[in-house]
Amino acid sequence: NFMLTQPHSVSESPGKTVTISCTRSSGSIASNYVQWYQQRPGSAPTTVIYEDNQRPSGVPDRFSGSIDSSSNSASLTISGLKTEDEADYYCQSYDSSNPGVFGGGTKLTVL
Amino acid sequence: QVTLRESGPALVKPTQTLTLTCTFSGFSLSTSGMCVSWIRQPPGKALEWLALIDWDDDKYYSTSLKTRLTISKDTSKNQVVLTMTNMDPVDTATYYCARQYSGSYYLDYWGQGTLVTVSS
Repeated sequence: NFMLTQPHSVSESPGKTVTISCTRSSGSIASNYVQWYQQRPGSAPTTVIYEDNQRPSGVPDRFSGSIDSSSNSASLTISGLKTEDEADYYCQSYDSSNPGVFGGGTKLTVL
Repeated sequence: QVTLRESGPALVKPTQTLTLTCTFSGFSLSTSGMCVSWIRQPPGKALEWLALIDWDDDKYYSTSLKTRLTISKDTSKNQVVLTMTNMDPVDTATYYCARQYSGSYYLDYWGQGTLVTVSS
């Protein structure tokens, strides 16, 4: 089994850009797609990025995803931060025997 | 329109077996590539994937919980059932079901979740 490691928390000011990392412990990050979910308090998660860098309809293009094989990590970048972006963010990937591995989540504070 | 809804007891006693039902609409679990997963989230903690069942009736379980979990489906009723044995207070969590694609294992639609408390 592999793990996905995220920073516990990040903070940034409105209008700025923030990047959240997700590092895979074993196996190549590029071998399996990575998804990113946003979860606001009291609500179910919703997808902001799927298949590494695809945005579902309705998700603004301020949200982008990328993969870096050199660091074996994925990243979620949010530009033009808004207070409404304040939430927990989870990365998720899989391998042949584990269809759903989640990172530990990152709390984004927009202050 | 795809929807999923979890149902089950809000309170279970330690050592009891939990049975949760996910009732969905807007898709068929007999369609190639379709899957349904269960995920849980203890209060204030991270998401934890539990189990998946796919259109071909293949089943996958969390390595740490596999001895306690059973997932099954009733395609005619559009339902997926999860049972978890020997419940403990640490299993107190919100339990979600979600639709998942087998290609990228992307969870695109989630239920609203159901809070299960384990207490005597």
